[in-house]
Formats: sequence, C-alpha cells, structure tokens
Amino acid sequence: EPEVTQTPSHQVTQMGQEVILRCVPISNHLYFYWYRQILGQKVEFLVSFYNNEISEKSEIFDDQFSVERPDGSNFTLKIRSTKLEDSAMYFCASSGTETNNEQFFGPGTRLTVL
Amino acid sequence: QKEVEQDPGPLSVPEGAIVSLNCTYSNSAFQYFMWYRQYSRKGPELLMYTYSSGNKEDGRFTAQVDKSSKYISLFIRDSQPSDSATYLCAIKTYSGAGSYQLTFGKGTKLSVIP
Repeated sequence: EPEVTQTPSHQVTQMGQEVILRCVPISNHLYFYWYRQILGQKVEFLVSFYNNEISEKSEIFDDQFSVERPDGSNFTLKIRSTKLEDSAMYFCASSGTETNNEQFFGPGTRLTVL
Repeated sequence: QKEVEQDPGPLSVPEGAIVSLNCTYSNSAFQYFMWYRQYSRKGPELLMYTYSSGNKEDGRFTAQVDKSSKYISLFIRDSQPSDSATYLCAIKTYSGAGSYQLTFGKGTKLSVIP
C-alpha cells in the first residue's frame, strides 16, 4: 500500500541552525501539506502546496519557513534559523484529487532544537 | 475562528465496553467533521468523517454530529485492545484549488484493557 515517508525520523540541531525536513508523498498525489505538533499540544496546520506554489499558510508559517518540491518525488520543509520553540513533531501529508482527497500522513520527524 | 476543543483524557476502558469520544467546535459554518486515529510514533490516520449533520456508521464505529449544539462524537462498540490509540477530531476547511486544511482537537488517548 502506498504511504508517505519522512526523513529523518529524529533531527537534533542547535538554535540558529538551518534544518531541512524531507517527505516523499504518495506518487500520484497533487496536494502536499505540513503540520506540526508540539509535545502535548494539538496538531497544527502549517502550509498547503499545490501546482508548485503555496495554497495557504498559517500564522505559524512565517519568513523562517519555506517549502519546496525540488523534483518529482520530494517535498521539503526548511526552517532557516531554528528557535527553541520550533521543537516539535513535523508531519507531512499528501492528498490526491479534488474528488478523492483524503490526506495521508507520514510518520513524522521529531525536531529537537537545543 | 477555527477552534476545536477535545477532552484529552486519558480514557481507560475494559475490553468490550462502549467508548464515547467527544469534541465541540466554535464555527457553525463548518461542514466536514473528521475523526483520525493516531498510534504511537505514527501520523494521524483517517478513521471516518461526516458531512453536515447526522450519523455515519462503519463497523464498530459511529460518528455523530449535532450542529445545533456544535458537538461531534465518535462511538466505538465492543472496544478491543487494538483500538488503544489517540483519537483526534478535526474540522476540514477548504483553502481553494482543491486543497484544504485540517484543524485538530487535542486528541483523546484511549486505552482498552484486556
């Protein structure tokens, strides 16, 4: 069964460093998403991406964040200068078409900023 | 305002019990009400959803929406130890161009004791 994969499973970084979180969405999907979950908090929407551009972004997704689909398979989230409060689980999701648009989530990347 | 409130539990029940999980939401314009299940170290997985109001049944699971009180429920009949997971309610709102974002509740951690 096709699934969304994410790498790495755990990333530890120093405050101020740049990190790139990687996702491989399901191959025929068209819509891509990032969510995050701070420990003990809700899963929060960050950004949606379609047709090589951002469809919508939340207030959390400020200038420190960017997304990219560098090739036909990967979808990345970059945090330019990490802060302690960026520590969270980051989930990538993808969905197919307008008529069959369930979002499938990856297993997440745990980001720890020291 | 996009808000969903959910009692985080934890909730512990004996095998075979009927489980009731509940959420409230703030915006009466919401139409799509989702239930996700999340196992430890995994991303959320869609369990079922309802559109507008009423009930929807799928095996041992029933999703119910009461729009007059802005209340959504998930019932699990004959609960099994394999149902032990965190259950997240979510509201789906469309962003345009076919993409949408999910606004999650905090999740209720359920343990079904054999």
